Amino acid sequence: SQQGEEDPQALSIQEGENATMNCSYKTSINNLQWYRQNSGRGLVHLILIRSNEREKHSGRLRVTLDTSKKSSSLLITASRAADTASYFCATPSGYSTLTFGKGTMLLVSP
Amino acid sequence: NAGVTQTPKFRVLKTGQSMTLLCAQDMNHEYMYWYRQDPGMGLRLIHYSVGEGTTAKGEVPDGYNVSRLKKQNFLLGLESAAPSQTSVYFCASSYSGHNSNQPQHFGDGTRLSIL
Repeated sequence: SQQGEEDPQALSIQEGENATMNCSYKTSINNLQWYRQNSGRGLVHLILIRSNEREKHSGRLRVTLDTSKKSSSLLITASRAADTASYFCATPSGYSTLTFGKGTMLLVSP
Repeated sequence: NAGVTQTPKFRVLKTGQSMTLLCAQDMNHEYMYWYRQDPGMGLRLIHYSVGEGTTAKGEVPDGYNVSRLKKQNFLLGLESAAPSQTSVYFCASSYSGHNSNQPQHFGDGTRLSIL
């Protein structure tokens, strides 16, 4: 069953602009993770935010978590062409597994 | 440090044939996972393992079998391939379960076509 759902499904921006992706989930969680997938490659872990954290930064990435709204956002500042990829949120499902959303496809044009 | 390695990278099978996909990790991770990724469906968990000698079913286990005889290897088998199993298969591993806040590390996938 799908837990996290990303929005929008696709996003097209120019280099230098900011990109914001959102993730909504249904049940209580103790952490939420974001992953990136470049075309033809596996997923790469970007950042993990715990349920007691509201915001977390890593380089040009900023992730927020609102547990009351069951939503998270991923902001990429000053986007580059190399940021072109699909981005997935993932939430724990049971003790040992993650459920991934269907992803947001980001296209950053030079 | 290779991380997670999947073999083969590409394969074409005929309906009814069998094959095994191999996943190897060199990070001494306890947990390993097999996913399939289809257009518009995201990643779906097929089977997973929480340690050597253990396996468990995921969301879409039918038509697949797995084995974890060694900690570093996780094998995914298709006994009688069907066109519906055409997909990209990803293996992942993690140090422990996710309620302990561990990220998953992915291989680059096996692209499998069933004719």
